Amino acid sequence: TQLLEQSPQFLSIQEGENLTVYCNSSSVFSSLQWYRQEPGEGPVLLVTVVTGGEVKKLKRLTFQFGDARKDSSLHITAAQPGDTGLYLCAGTTSGTYKYIFGTGTRLKVLA
Amino acid sequence: DAGITQSPRHKVTETGTPVTLRCHQTENHRYMYWYRQDPGHGLRLIHYSYGVKDTDKGEVSDGYSVSRSKTEDFLLTLESATSSQTSVYFCATQQGTSTDTQYFGPGTRLTVL
Repeated sequence: TQLLEQSPQFLSIQEGENLTVYCNSSSVFSSLQWYRQEPGEGPVLLVTVVTGGEVKKLKRLTFQFGDARKDSSLHITAAQPGDTGLYLCAGTTSGTYKYIFGTGTRLKVLA
Repeated sequence: DAGITQSPRHKVTETGTPVTLRCHQTENHRYMYWYRQDPGHGLRLIHYSYGVKDTDKGEVSDGYSVSRSKTEDFLLTLESATSSQTSVYFCATQQGTSTDTQYFGPGTRLTVL
């Protein structure tokens, strides 16, 4: 069974701090996606990474796909209260459209 | 927003009764998915569809069946609901490739007493 482990599970930080969320697996993924989910809503895609070593930036968010395509990280610079939410990573392996989701990181940014 | 609606949005039912959840999309996306979300488990794939009448099992398919008779509708049926199926169910759609965006519906909160 493929697993995606996310860490930390919970994170409470002050506005302006930096943070990193990790998504790790023993499996190789052909693509990996990061989502943010707010209470009572479905997840919303933030980014998709497909190449080992790839780095993508979305304003204050930086996403990296590991060289071996088994892990990924999400770094937020100068966190804001609007970043509060549940962050989920999801991977898919080559030739399949089945997605494996991580267990999630619940982030709370205090003003 | 890919025009995804789920119905009902909330449902309370009793153990042993059949339940059908509906997902409707207006974007003509090829792929449709049913997930359940439980605390500590993230999202887990139940079933997915890659075309009309074409479906496949996900990691937690036991006790669930699906049907897709039209591109726009994907039904999830709990054949005989159990308390372990109490969860929030999300439908998602995707246009054509595995790197395309998955768009999620608003979710259905199901409680099985």
